[in-house]
Amino acid sequence: EVQLVESGGGLVKPGSSLKLSCVASGFTFSSYGMHWIRQAPKKGLEWIALIYYDSSNKYYADSVKGRFTISRDNSKNTLYLEMNSLRSEDTAMYYCAKFSWEADYWGQGVMVTVSS
Amino acid sequence: DIQMTQSPSSLPASLGDRVTITCRASQDIGNYLRWFQQKPGKSPRLMIYGATNLAAGVPSRFSGSRSGSDYSLTINSLESEDMAIYYCLQHNEYPLTFGSGTKLEIK
Repeated sequence: EVQLVESGGGLVKPGSSLKLSCVASGFTFSSYGMHWIRQAPKKGLEWIALIYYDSSNKYYADSVKGRFTISRDNSKNTLYLEMNSLRSEDTAMYYCAKFSWEADYWGQGVMVTVSS
Repeated sequence: DIQMTQSPSSLPASLGDRVTITCRASQDIGNYLRWFQQKPGKSPRLMIYGATNLAAGVPSRFSGSRSGSDYSLTINSLESEDMAIYYCLQHNEYPLTFGSGTKLEIK
């Protein structure tokens, strides 16, 4: 059974940093690209980043480019999202996700709140 | 970036109704279009992939179609468990972009 479990969220002040983790199990993590997607409270879904299976390519949404870094450790089956210079508008539930052509798997999400 | 214009934003409907939600892509995305269902407090669930294919475990009353740059999700004979927010997602190119969502609610 595929499982994705996010952690590392919390309440932080504007301008600070936070690093999210997503531990994967139930599939060959090193064979798949992985995504981060977020959802602000009462708002829609926003894709924010992708990393290829071998870290050879990374893509970001304009809203986080230059502030957020996606990375992975295939030896630990873990996906990361390092978030710097956090703003109030980064307040959201953050999901990691694995997309294949016929199926998607999402974690339960981790909440990040940016507030003074 | 590709814009996905989703309509309507809210859709009041009665049980047993047939409803349709539409996303229009600002550029060609081929069939790289997915539909998700999201219920309160839950992660999104894939309903349709490749614009027209039913994901595993999704009831057959759901269907997806395409007409040019317009992509539609249709639900035949609405059931109470279908009340949720639905999103489209284009994954033809990065950045991936979601539609703004359609809240399906009981009239």
